[in-house]
Amino acid sequence: NAGVTQTPKFRILKIGQSMTLQCTQDMNHNYMYWYRQDPGMGLKLIYYSVGAGITDKGEVPNGYNVSRSTTEDFPLRLELAAPSQTSVYFCASSRTSGMSDTQYFGPGTRLTVL
Amino acid sequence: AQSVAQPEDQVNVAEGNPLTVKCTYSVSGNPYLFWYVQYPNRGLQFLLKYITGDNLVKGSYGFEAEFNKSQTSFHLKKPSALVSDSALYFCAVRDNAGNNRKLIWGLGTSLAVNP
Repeated sequence: NAGVTQTPKFRILKIGQSMTLQCTQDMNHNYMYWYRQDPGMGLKLIYYSVGAGITDKGEVPNGYNVSRSTTEDFPLRLELAAPSQTSVYFCASSRTSGMSDTQYFGPGTRLTVL
Repeated sequence: AQSVAQPEDQVNVAEGNPLTVKCTYSVSGNPYLFWYVQYPNRGLQFLLKYITGDNLVKGSYGFEAEFNKSQTSFHLKKPSALVSDSALYFCAVRDNAGNNRKLIWGLGTSLAVNP
């Protein structure tokens, strides 16, 4: 199992550009999550999905969009990049949303918006 | 409101000494607590979790954590630190209010183990 994979690892965008961060998991997990990690701010949930075709907003969804057409893939879309979106983005998955369930993380995408 | 706090931004310890990384929480109902570790330029890795039962939970890489209900704490410990333990450690608690049951994350504690 590769687990959770993310591409690209690094990206520099200009203000106003758009891009898609890719996330794939091969563990057949129903739940998938996108977080951003800013220095000294911990992890903030952007969006999550409870299964194919179902997504919902997290704490900081503004400026982002997601889709979940398959169990495996959960791409995150930035439409009009802003400097405030400079961050490290992590995708995660879990089998269920059960109270004891563990989330598994990808290696992250480091995004800089200039 | 449910929350988790890691009161120390950084912990320094000498190799071979015991280490403690602190975590306190505030939740309604029974807490479900997690520790994750993040090595430089890597994603987060699960270390251990407390669900119920024995207050001392053993996890990966020789780490353990002690659940203390009266002090609402879940401190991470290791008897003998290694330089390779240097990393960022996150405590998290499951949000058991509502239906989405998100993880609520602490801000992280940077552990530096000095040779």
